[in-house]
Amino acid sequence: QVQLKESGPVLVQASETLSLTCTVSGFSLTNYGVIWVRQPPGKGLEWMGIIWRNGNTDYNSALKSRLSINRDTSKSQVFLKMNSLQTDDTAIYYCTRERGAYWGQGVMVTVSS
Amino acid sequence: DIVMTQSPTSMSISVGDRVTMNCKASQNVGSNVDWYQQKTGQSPKLLIYKASNRYTGVPDRFTGSGSGTDFTFTISNMQAEDLAVYYCMQSNSYPWTFGGGTKLELK
Repeated sequence: QVQLKESGPVLVQASETLSLTCTVSGFSLTNYGVIWVRQPPGKGLEWMGIIWRNGNTDYNSALKSRLSINRDTSKSQVFLKMNSLQTDDTAIYYCTRERGAYWGQGVMVTVSS
Repeated sequence: DIVMTQSPTSMSISVGDRVTMNCKASQNVGSNVDWYQQKTGQSPKLLIYKASNRYTGVPDRFTGSGSGTDFTFTISNMQAEDLAVYYCMQSNSYPWTFGGGTKLELK
């Protein structure tokens, strides 16, 4: 069955770089895109960006200067890297398959000053 | 960026009620709007895609309608398990954007 699982550090220092991994199963990254979405505590959802099935990417313009999304299709993994973290980047980070039917459980990342 | 404005931000409802919420786009998004349900502590769940299409397995008490800039989501017979925050999202233009959510609470 289709599954996505986020992993990465739960605590990051301000000004440092966040690196998260989304490991997928039950489908191929060459057939579906993967999207990253985040949610600050008690707040709404923010679309961060997508890596399409062909490897192309699109980003939220508000994050574009700090964000990169890449993948390793042989390992069924999608990677998120975001630099220059600030405390307002504290959030649950989710990966979801293109079209939104399947989501990971999310990983809570706290940025400490 | 396209702004998706949801209303109301919260609703106090009773089991059995008909619940209607709205989502207004700041510009034409065609039918490229999805609706998600998020229960406390859980990941969002897709309910409606392309404005009016119910996702597989979603009960028929959930319906969506609209096109262009105005969209409506309805729960025809509210159940206790429907207590959640509901979000609309447009996928017509980058960046895709979510509404601020409508929270359903028991009266």
